[in-house]
Amino acid sequence: DQQVKQNSPSLSVQEGRISILNCDYTNSMFDYFLWYKKYPAEGPTFLISISSIKDKNEDGRFTVFLNKSAKHLSLHIVPSQPGDSAVYFCAASSVNAGGTSYGKLTFGQGTILTVHP
Amino acid sequence: KAGVTQTPRYLIKTRGQQVTLSCSPISGHRSVSWYQQTPGQGLQFLFEYFSETQRNKGNFPGRFSGRQFSNSRSEMNVSTLELGDSALYLCASSRDRGSGNTIYFGEGSWLTVV
Repeated sequence: DQQVKQNSPSLSVQEGRISILNCDYTNSMFDYFLWYKKYPAEGPTFLISISSIKDKNEDGRFTVFLNKSAKHLSLHIVPSQPGDSAVYFCAASSVNAGGTSYGKLTFGQGTILTVHP
Repeated sequence: KAGVTQTPRYLIKTRGQQVTLSCSPISGHRSVSWYQQTPGQGLQFLFEYFSETQRNKGNFPGRFSGRQFSNSRSEMNVSTLELGDSALYLCASSRDRGSGNTIYFGEGSWLTVV
């Protein structure tokens, strides 16, 4: 049961343009969402997060949008740079679901972003 | 400030052996969790510790175990290794209960079982 889905395995964009990475979830108990960037054989690097009480969060070139009714979130990178090329993971957790959720992130399958110079 | 530190980074073990991986969380972080990444299954949650107590466990067999020490450092152990245990094992830490807080990952320990 894939509770967090990233339906696009890969995305290719030109340098300077916008990259939009999408993520869908099915578990309505999720109320905190994070995006990570990852290179092969390395640990994920935290990028940005959003709580379910918000619909948008910005940090520099990165903006995350959350649509709770659609159970959908997206990460926008503007402008995209070649150094952004990596695998991007969407992750979700439940803040208020009690002990069964502590420290547990549920990840999507990842999207490979390639930014061409 | 130092990040999450995992040792060893790379190791090769034989089927049937056991392995212990170590993790030092970010200073001040009390929650430590472990994840397994494989090509087929992606990133999967193993377990989480807080104040030396396991509070949450993923769907892995009992061969996978862990513990946390009073200084928040953690170890995970896999006994009777199988070929399918070959994976990148990631440790993560967060300041509080690990839920609703940013979770930071280490570089991982790459285990190959032959």
